[in-house]
Amino acid sequence: NAGVMQNPRHLVRRRGQEARLRCSPMKGHSHVYWYRQLPEEGLKFMVYLQKENIIDESGMPKERFSAEFPKEGPSILRIQQVVRGDSAAYFCASSPYQRNSPLHFGNGTRLTVT
Amino acid sequence: QQQVKQSPQSLIVQKGGIPIINCAYENTAFDYFPWYQQFPGKGPALLIAIRPDVSEKKEGRFTISFNKSAKQFSLHIMDSQPGDSATYFCAASTSGNTPLVFGKGTRLSVIA
Repeated sequence: NAGVMQNPRHLVRRRGQEARLRCSPMKGHSHVYWYRQLPEEGLKFMVYLQKENIIDESGMPKERFSAEFPKEGPSILRIQQVVRGDSAAYFCASSPYQRNSPLHFGNGTRLTVT
Repeated sequence: QQQVKQSPQSLIVQKGGIPIINCAYENTAFDYFPWYQQFPGKGPALLIAIRPDVSEKKEGRFTISFNKSAKQFSLHIMDSQPGDSATYFCAASTSGNTPLVFGKGTRLSVIA
């Protein structure tokens, strides 16, 4: 029973490039959440999605960041024109039913912008 | 504005000791309070959670104490072991309505 799968585990991008982070939720889970973690900081909520719908994007920066969770395939967090301040660990979590039913986290993607 | 304040930032205890991690919140609408454990290079894993209708919940060596009037809750780890060395996060949300908000974490080291 595979858990939440995130890839890549590590991603290095130069300033101005695009970063694509992928998340496959646990089998049977239709709710996906993205969080960002900076060193010595807690996890900051970014976006909450269900299949084909963005439910809450109140934590997403207004520019350069977007997320999707298509009918088929993984959820994608996309960061365009990355800057050094985007360097962080990005975690995806999934849950089976209502919002904030226990979240199951993946092991994250560590993005480094050079 | 930080919605959940966690302390201490770091904690060192001897094996067998009882580390206590505290969290405080302001939003009285919060009704779900989980604790997550995170090892280096891994994602957070749910440890234990409580709702405000009880004042204490135990699961194995982990206990949450909840004080609704003070808007505080804490995690106690009984008979701590070196394998408990990790970062612990408290969190809070309103069921079904708001995102889970996390404290900044407590780095626990249990030394033999």
